[in-house]
Amino acid sequence: DAKTTQPNSMESNEEEPVHLPCNHSTISGTDYIHWYRQLPSQGPEYVIHGLTSNVNNRMASLAIAEDRKSSTLILHRATLRDAAVYYCILRRSGTYKYIFGTGTRLKVLA
Amino acid sequence: ETGVTQTPRHLVMGMTNKKSLKCEQHLGHNAMYWYKQSAKKPLELMFVYNFKEQTENNSVPSRFSPECPNSSHLFLHLHTLQPEDSALYLCASSPTRGERGDTGELFFGEGSRLTVL
Repeated sequence: DAKTTQPNSMESNEEEPVHLPCNHSTISGTDYIHWYRQLPSQGPEYVIHGLTSNVNNRMASLAIAEDRKSSTLILHRATLRDAAVYYCILRRSGTYKYIFGTGTRLKVLA
Repeated sequence: ETGVTQTPRHLVMGMTNKKSLKCEQHLGHNAMYWYKQSAKKPLELMFVYNFKEQTENNSVPSRFSPECPNSSHLFLHLHTLQPEDSALYLCASSPTRGERGDTGELFFGEGSRLTVL
């Protein structure tokens, strides 16, 4: 299974953009890139996913490198409610194997 | 309300006890998952069921026994557990891969926190 690498923790000021990086150098052509986040005392929740092109939704944007070996989750304006552990996950197309890494703990400063 | 409900939310058991964790989803999904989250470790995929058939067993010890009687319910039967099995057990569901409405998204419950004494 392909692996993802993320920084253990990051800090951001409230109202500022946050760029959360993820390396996945062993990604295969059929692996989707998913991002989930886990707030304290809750199960993970879906943020965004993509295959090759950049993606935007109401929560965030996903920027995928041209060679697909890395990606960046962008929160456009961090709020205190965005403080969570963010997981970058690869999932092979057609499978049910979502393999989580250790994630990045995001701290948002007021 | 996430659509995926897990009970009990907290469970304390001795090593010789037998207990079960229950997961129920009302999202119309046909795939259901068990994950284990231990302190300071990534979420570990344990089992996946699709249309009540097990499709993934991630080398889980036999003291964990899953059961999927229908697409809406998933159980994890626990017996003779060890203290290192103490963790948050998370259930998730999703549409079957490739079917209409499949966006690749997993929907998680809030988890059952298990403590083994």
